[in-house]
Amino acid sequence: KNEVEQSPQNLTAQEGEFITINCSYSVGISALHWLQQHPGGGIVSLFMLSSGKKKHGRLIATINIQEKHSSLHITASHPRDSAVYICAVEKTSYDKVIFGPGTSLSVIP
Amino acid sequence: EPEVTQTPSHQVTQMGQEVILRCVPISNHLYFYWYRQILGQKVEFLVSFYNNEISEKSEIFDDQFSVERPDGSNFTLKIRSTKLEDSAMYFCASITTGQGPNFGAGTRLSVL
Repeated sequence: KNEVEQSPQNLTAQEGEFITINCSYSVGISALHWLQQHPGGGIVSLFMLSSGKKKHGRLIATINIQEKHSSLHITASHPRDSAVYICAVEKTSYDKVIFGPGTSLSVIP
Repeated sequence: EPEVTQTPSHQVTQMGQEVILRCVPISNHLYFYWYRQILGQKVEFLVSFYNNEISEKSEIFDDQFSVERPDGSNFTLKIRSTKLEDSAMYFCASITTGQGPNFGAGTRLSVL
């Protein structure tokens, strides 16, 4: 069984829509990461969470430690948000990152 | 802003050849990692490195793989005798206290 699951696997949205990507995990963690991967392949860290909620621009990430669940929200989506969004967890500090399968987002003008 | 740099961006090699993938982590980071992503699949952990030694390695990281930090700045991944199934994107990452991992842009390895 995968330790990190994401839904949906693929998502198509109209520009301006509010988007939610969900992540659930089955192990104890010290931190959860949301990452973005563009078609060129590079991976960018968006958020690192151990509790609560973080906001950066139009992106909001939340985590519920008790339910082992996190969400990434994108408000007022834009075509440049099109990318693969990956949830990943660390079991302990400085441990390897365990990646989820990713959610492929396409935002249509 | 400091970043992790990887070279080359694309490496093409013949099956059975040795390849060395190079990474320069962020200078004050102490923990270093190699990951790989086979096309269409999720990113997988290969190896972590701290204090000049391997701290953890995955099942993928067999005797054909090795890592080195030869000069205090570079961090290399060597594949001794490449196989077709080694074709993938290889990512280097480094980390410091309280922050998420910083990933390099990756090296695309194509084994023919």
